[in-house]
Amino acid sequence: AQRVTQPEKLLSVFKGAPVELKCNYSYSGSPELFWYVQYSRQRLQLLLRHISRESIKGFTADLNKGETSFHLKKPFAQEEDSAMYYCAPNTGANSKLTFGKGITLSVRP
Amino acid sequence: DAGVIQSPRHEVTEMGQEVTLRCKPISGHNSLFWYRQTMMRGLELLIYFNNNVPIDDSGMPEDRFSAKMPNASFSTLKIQPSEPRDSAVYFCASSTGTRGQPQHFGDGTRLSIL
Repeated sequence: AQRVTQPEKLLSVFKGAPVELKCNYSYSGSPELFWYVQYSRQRLQLLLRHISRESIKGFTADLNKGETSFHLKKPFAQEEDSAMYYCAPNTGANSKLTFGKGITLSVRP
Repeated sequence: DAGVIQSPRHEVTEMGQEVTLRCKPISGHNSLFWYRQTMMRGLELLIYFNNNVPIDDSGMPEDRFSAKMPNASFSTLKIQPSEPRDSAVYFCASSTGTRGQPQHFGDGTRLSIL
C-alpha cells in the first residue's frame, strides 16, 4: 500500500539550531515529493518540491531513493519557522497527494 | 489570481442542521480536492474531482456527506444532517491536474457543530 511516514509529531529546538524533519515513503516507481507548511491557523502553503531542487526560506530537501526518504532540513532555525510541516508524495498520473500526519516544529528564542 | 476562495470562513450551527461549504478554484485549474483537518486525524482527503467529475470519494466519511462540482469554477461540500463530530477545518485545494504540479489551498472553513 502507498504510505508516507512522518515518524515524529513534535520537534522543539532553540533558535539557531539545525533542524531535520523526517519523511519516509513506500511507493514503487518514482514519486514526486512535496513539503507543505501551515502556520498557525492559516492555509497550507507549498514550501518546496524535489523536482525544483531549490532552497526556500533556508530549507532544503533531498530525495534519497535508496532510503526512500525526503527529509526537510535547515541549518539554522528561526522563530518564524514555527509551524506544522507536511510531507506529501504524488504518485499517480494526476496531482493527487498523500499527506503524512505532519510534524509541529517549535523554535524557541 | 485571488487563489482558491472558500466560504464561509467560519460556521457555527446546531447539530441536525444542513451545512454547505463552498469553494472557487483557481481559474484554469481542472482538479479540485476537499480535505478535512482535525487534531485527532490530521489532514484527510475526502473527495477529489477532475474536470468536474468525482474521481475518488473513498474518503467521504458517510452518506451524510456529499460533494458536487456543477462547473469548473464552483464546488460545494454538504453535510446533512450535521453532527458534533463533524467539527473540523475543511480545506479546498485546486491544481492543474498534471502529475508533479502542486495543489493550492484555500483558507479553509472552520466548522463548529454544537
